[in-house]
Amino acid sequence: EAGVTQSPTHLIKTRGQQATLRCSPISGHTSVYWYQQALGLGLQFLLWYDEGEERNRGNFPPRFSGRQFPNYSSELNVNALELEDSALYLCASSEGQGDGQPQHFGDGTRLSIL
Amino acid sequence: AQSVTQLGSHVSVSEGALVLLRCNYSSSVPPYLFWYVQYPNQGLQLLLKYTSAATLVKGINGFEAEFKKSETSFHLTKPSAHMSDAAEYFCAVSEETGNQFYFGTGTSLTVIP
Repeated sequence: EAGVTQSPTHLIKTRGQQATLRCSPISGHTSVYWYQQALGLGLQFLLWYDEGEERNRGNFPPRFSGRQFPNYSSELNVNALELEDSALYLCASSEGQGDGQPQHFGDGTRLSIL
Repeated sequence: AQSVTQLGSHVSVSEGALVLLRCNYSSSVPPYLFWYVQYPNQGLQLLLKYTSAATLVKGINGFEAEFKKSETSFHLTKPSAHMSDAAEYFCAVSEETGNQFYFGTGTSLTVIP
């Protein structure tokens, strides 16, 4: 079974640019989660999508946005990039909103802002 | 909302020694609990999960965790540390319904040869 896949592996941008990160969940999983892991700050919850709808959002500004497509893959968009957006962005998927379902993670996209 | 506390951001143990990583959660209702491991430049890998079946949960790589409701704890242990156990460990809790996860801040485990 293929795991969660994220692309690209690395992304280098400059301040003010826009970045698009992509995630393909495990087959059969309908929920996708996005996390930001900046150095020394642990995992910060960004967004949760299920069945194409945004279910919850973390404490991030509106320039962080995303969507989930009919095939359950997802995209995270970050506009007006700032230096502090440099981080590892992790995507996870789970089998919908079933109680106690673990989240399965991809290896992340390393976003570097110059 | 739930919260998770991992005591000790850095833990060092000698190879062959007991590993004990602490996790406490805030909830009056037994939630679902998870431990994940993250190796450098990788995503998080599920070690084990507690979903109310048994209080002692066995996971991969020889790790286990015990759910103690009275102490609201879910500490991770391994009898004998191996060099390959050096990594970042995260405790997580999800609520009784839905699948919103709340992660602890992580514990970095160093294994000394």
